[in-house]
Amino acid sequence: DTGVSQNPRHKITKRGQNVTFRCDPISEHNRLYWYRQTLGQGPEFLTYFQNEAQLEKSRLLSDRFSAERPKGSFSTLEIQRTEQGDSAMYLCASSPRGFEEKLFFGSGTQLSVL
Amino acid sequence: AQSVSQHNHHVILSEAASLELGCNYSYGGTVNLFWYVQYPGQHLQLLLKYFSGDPLVKGIKGFEAEFIKSKFSFNLRKPSVQWSDTAEYFCAVGGNTGKLIFGQGTTLQVKP
Repeated sequence: DTGVSQNPRHKITKRGQNVTFRCDPISEHNRLYWYRQTLGQGPEFLTYFQNEAQLEKSRLLSDRFSAERPKGSFSTLEIQRTEQGDSAMYLCASSPRGFEEKLFFGSGTQLSVL
Repeated sequence: AQSVSQHNHHVILSEAASLELGCNYSYGGTVNLFWYVQYPGQHLQLLLKYFSGDPLVKGIKGFEAEFIKSKFSFNLRKPSVQWSDTAEYFCAVGGNTGKLIFGQGTTLQVKP
């Protein structure tokens, strides 16, 4: 169990640029989640996958956001035309099977949009 | 609307003091309840969870929580805190998809 890995740890970008984050879940975890956390707040759900299928997307996820998990292993989260309001910590989590399992979180990617 | 409210944003205690962190939720349907903790410089990790059965659940490091359905509450307790309990604590509620709704968190500072 090597844990959930997220890259990069930090990303600084200019407004209007596109960014992509990667999450490698714990091997054989078939559920993968993306959350966003801003200072002083708890994590907010963005989307989740069961294997390669994206099962739910939050209304927080505007059209500029897209997530993929092409082979049911790693996942990417892309933000197009970034805005200053996108600045946040983006967290990835995985779990072995279903809702009854605890989530294993990664350390997150801190995005700063200038 | 589904929501979680944590009453205390910042708590400061001396070592050996007792701890109780409040959590109230609003959620339709079957509810699963969690407390997650984030120690300084570390990732979020599960402290304890409640799905069904005994409403008093015990977690790691001597923490426990009680689910009171009539009060929509899931308060976290520890009889005697240690300096190493300094962390941010998040209450969360979920249904049967694994999607969690988190509270805004409580920062606990334990003075040695």
